[in-house]
Amino acid sequence: GEDVEQSLFLSVREGDSSVINCTYTDSSSTYLYWYKQEPGAGLQLLTYIFSNMDMKQDQRLTVLLNKKDKHLSLRIADTQTGDSAIYFCAETPYGQNFVFGPGTRLSVLP
Amino acid sequence: GAVVSQHPSRVICKSGTSVKIECRSLDFQATTMFWYRQFPKQSLMLMATSNEGSKATYEQGVEKDKFLINHASLTLSTLTVTSAHPEDSSFYICSARGAGPRTDTQYFGPGTRLTVL
Repeated sequence: GEDVEQSLFLSVREGDSSVINCTYTDSSSTYLYWYKQEPGAGLQLLTYIFSNMDMKQDQRLTVLLNKKDKHLSLRIADTQTGDSAIYFCAETPYGQNFVFGPGTRLSVLP
Repeated sequence: GAVVSQHPSRVICKSGTSVKIECRSLDFQATTMFWYRQFPKQSLMLMATSNEGSKATYEQGVEKDKFLINHASLTLSTLTVTSAHPEDSSFYICSARGAGPRTDTQYFGPGTRLTVL
């Protein structure tokens, strides 16, 4: 079945770049997503990438997609304390609903 | 972006009572709504998918008689946890997917934290 994997924890210092990695299994996914969840809150769509793209940049966020290796990454430049949250990677296998990864808890240290 | 609201944001109830959670799409018509459950420090688990005007499709292991879902209109879906027990305590999140240029995208509500005493 479909499986999405992420490392569970990441700590960075304020001002550094954060890179959150994700691997997925289903190559039929049309879109791949990154969601952010702050404590006690729902999920906020951060960005998404179409499967025929290699890279997408949106202000401080850069998404890289290696379709051959089924690897997705999210880079946050100049990480701030407000970026501390859980980041979920999600794929949408053809005809199916979202499959979420376990989430990566990003801690930003002053 | 699209906005999805949930009400209530937090509810505490006694064991054996029923609790209704509302999910509304505020600025778009949601042809499909999803209900997820999230245990502490875990990812989201899809409970059911509902399409407006039809019966919900439940994921394996989710009791449809316990978690009643009604998708009465294109902007409202409700989840009723019937005869709630402490093990039903969780964070319930809905999401909505609508018509438009990004029909593959789901927009999530802020979640409802249910505590059953």
